[in-house]
Amino acid sequence: GQQVMQIPQYQHVQEGEDFTTYCNSSTTLSNIQWYKQRPGGHPVFLIQLVKSGEVKKQKRLTFQFGEAKKNSSLHITATQTTDVGTYFCAGNPSGTYKYIFGTGTRLKVLA
Amino acid sequence: SAVISQKPSRDICQRGTSLTIQCQVDSQVTMMFWYRQQPGQSLTLIATANQGSEATYESGFVIDKFPISRPNLTFSTLTVSNMSPEDSSIYLCSAHTNEKLFFGSGTQLSVL
Repeated sequence: GQQVMQIPQYQHVQEGEDFTTYCNSSTTLSNIQWYKQRPGGHPVFLIQLVKSGEVKKQKRLTFQFGEAKKNSSLHITATQTTDVGTYFCAGNPSGTYKYIFGTGTRLKVLA
Repeated sequence: SAVISQKPSRDICQRGTSLTIQCQVDSQVTMMFWYRQQPGQSLTLIATANQGSEATYESGFVIDKFPISRPNLTFSTLTVSNMSPEDSSIYLCSAHTNEKLFFGSGTQLSVL
C-alpha cells in the first residue's frame, strides 16, 4: 500500500538551532501538505506544495517539494520554544482525493 | 476555513458495545475523512465519507466494523462496532475545503 515515511522520528534541539524533517512517499504525489500538531491538539495546516521542485517560505519555515514529487522537506531556521510539536507531511497520491499522513517528526526545543 | 464540531470528546466503553461519533461542519464540504491516531503515532486513514454513496475504506478497515454515514455535505458519523480494547484510540474527523484539511478536536475512546 501507499506509505509516507518521515525522518527523524524525534529531534531535540537547543533554542536557536535549525531543524529539518524529511518526508518520502512510496508513490508519486499530486501534492503534499504539511501539518503541525501540538501536544493534546489536532493537526493544523501549514502549507501545500503542488509543483515539482517547488519551494515555499513562511517566515522561519522553508518547505520543498522534490523534483520527482515523491519527497519533501521542512526546514525551520532558529527554532523557538513555540515550534514544539509534531510535524506531519500528508501526501495526496496521484489520481486520488485522500491524504496519507507521514509517520511524523516530534520536535522538542530546549530553552 | 471550516469549523468542525466532533462529539463525544471522550468515552469509556465496555467491550462488545458500539459507539457512534458525530462530526458537524459549519459549511458544506465535498470531502470528509475519518482518521485514527494512537497516542504518539501518526494518523491512519480509515475511510473517505462520500455523500450519497457508501464510504470508501482503506486496507484493513471494513464497513461492518466501522460503518460510516454521510447524509449531507455538512455531517458525518463513524460507528465503532463490537469494540475491543484494540479499538482504544483517538478518532479524528476531517473535512477537505479550500485545498486543506480541517480537523475536529477528536474523540478519545477507551475500551475496557
